[in-house]
Amino acid sequence: DADVTQTPRNRITKTGKRIMLECSQTKGHDRMYWYRQDPGLGLRLIYYSFDVKDINKGEISDGYSVSRQAQAKFSLSLESAIPNQTALYFCATTGGEGQPQHFGDGTRLSIL
Amino acid sequence: AQSVTQLGSHVSVSEGALVLLRCNYSSSVPPYLFWYVQYPNQGLQLLLKYTSAATLVKGINGFEAEFKKSETSFHLTKPSAHMSDAAEYFCAVSETGGYQKVTFGTGTKLQVIP
Repeated sequence: DADVTQTPRNRITKTGKRIMLECSQTKGHDRMYWYRQDPGLGLRLIYYSFDVKDINKGEISDGYSVSRQAQAKFSLSLESAIPNQTALYFCATTGGEGQPQHFGDGTRLSIL
Repeated sequence: AQSVTQLGSHVSVSEGALVLLRCNYSSSVPPYLFWYVQYPNQGLQLLLKYTSAATLVKGINGFEAEFKKSETSFHLTKPSAHMSDAAEYFCAVSETGGYQKVTFGTGTKLQVIP
């Protein structure tokens, strides 16, 4: 089983809909992250959380919200989806300072 | 704020040729440095990391990278490209202290020509 699991893997929806992307991990890590990937732009940080009570905005948090339901679960919501939020979304975890990030396989989100 | 520059969004090499992917960073103090690889329909996987123990870092699949503080560079190399190396490669920098924010480069797609 994967250490970092993202659901769904693919989603197509319409403008204005509320969408939740879920992430769960079995690494036992406290730190979790949400990124979006767009061609030519690399990965950009949306939100990150260092524990269930510590949630921080990343560089592109507008239009997104998150919930850290437990140490192992970190969900990303789009309250009212818009087409320019069409992207590949990744969840990642890390064990601490200087440690690499462990990524899920991503959610490909298309908003029509 | 730290930044990462990867020169060349696309690099093509012949099978068996040297692979060189360039990464330069800006940081006021020596950061943690990483190279990740992404295959189609997958997340990023760690290739190697620099955490100040040694300037030449060896990773998986025959890749290595050299940290050069004077040039603020962390270029990725492999002596002989294999078809299976075709993927997208990302350089990343992590701050020390605080929230250790990670900044990724924009990626380099490596094509290996038979």
